[in-house]
Amino acid sequence: DIQMTQSPSTLSAFEGDRVTITCRASQSISSWLAWYQQAPGKAPKVLIYKASSLESGVPSRFSGSGSGTEFTLTISSLQPDDFATYYCQQYYSYSLTFGQGTKVEIK
Amino acid sequence: QLQLQESGPGLVKPSETLSLTCTVSGGSISSSSYYWGWIRQPPGKGLEWIGSMYYSGSTYHNPSLKSRVTISVDTSKNQFSLKLSSVTAADTAVYYCARFYSSSYAHYWGQGTLVTVSS
Repeated sequence: DIQMTQSPSTLSAFEGDRVTITCRASQSISSWLAWYQQAPGKAPKVLIYKASSLESGVPSRFSGSGSGTEFTLTISSLQPDDFATYYCQQYYSYSLTFGQGTKVEIK
Repeated sequence: QLQLQESGPGLVKPSETLSLTCTVSGGSISSSSYYWGWIRQPPGKGLEWIGSMYYSGSTYHNPSLKSRVTISVDTSKNQFSLKLSSVTAADTAVYYCARFYSSSYAHYWGQGTLVTVSS
């Protein structure tokens, strides 16, 4: 299996801050990476696919970059609804794997 | 608007088989380009992909669960199902059904259903 490792595990930030979450793959996955947001008690929602493509309806303050083994999710200006947990997921392999998650908390 | 809804018992005894069904509305389960599958999340933990299936039969499973997992599709009812055999407490989780774009990322999710394994 391809292992996905996110950092940090927890991030504290103020509303309006720019934040970046990193996801590293145990081997090259080209650009076959998605990012999800999960609010407490809710199902995850896809934000980004193919590393940098914004899913329809997702605000433009979310952006993704990277290829190979290192990827980032950036939120340009944190809004109240953005305090949630974020997961990366690779789909280079037919055996899909997720990162362990990054919780974005209010500072 | 596509909607997915999980249904099934919320409590399963150890060593028994967990069975869940996902009912799809607002779209056909026979649509090309989409896989249908299951993801679970133990309480307070991260996401784990269980498996995905194309309506015509092509199936992929998480290797760590493969021998216990059966995913099937019923096109006549627009439903798909999960069976997980020989469950233990470690299988206690919220189970989500989802539609995957090809066999890649999940772009539609059900609301999730908590299944507890306990005697």
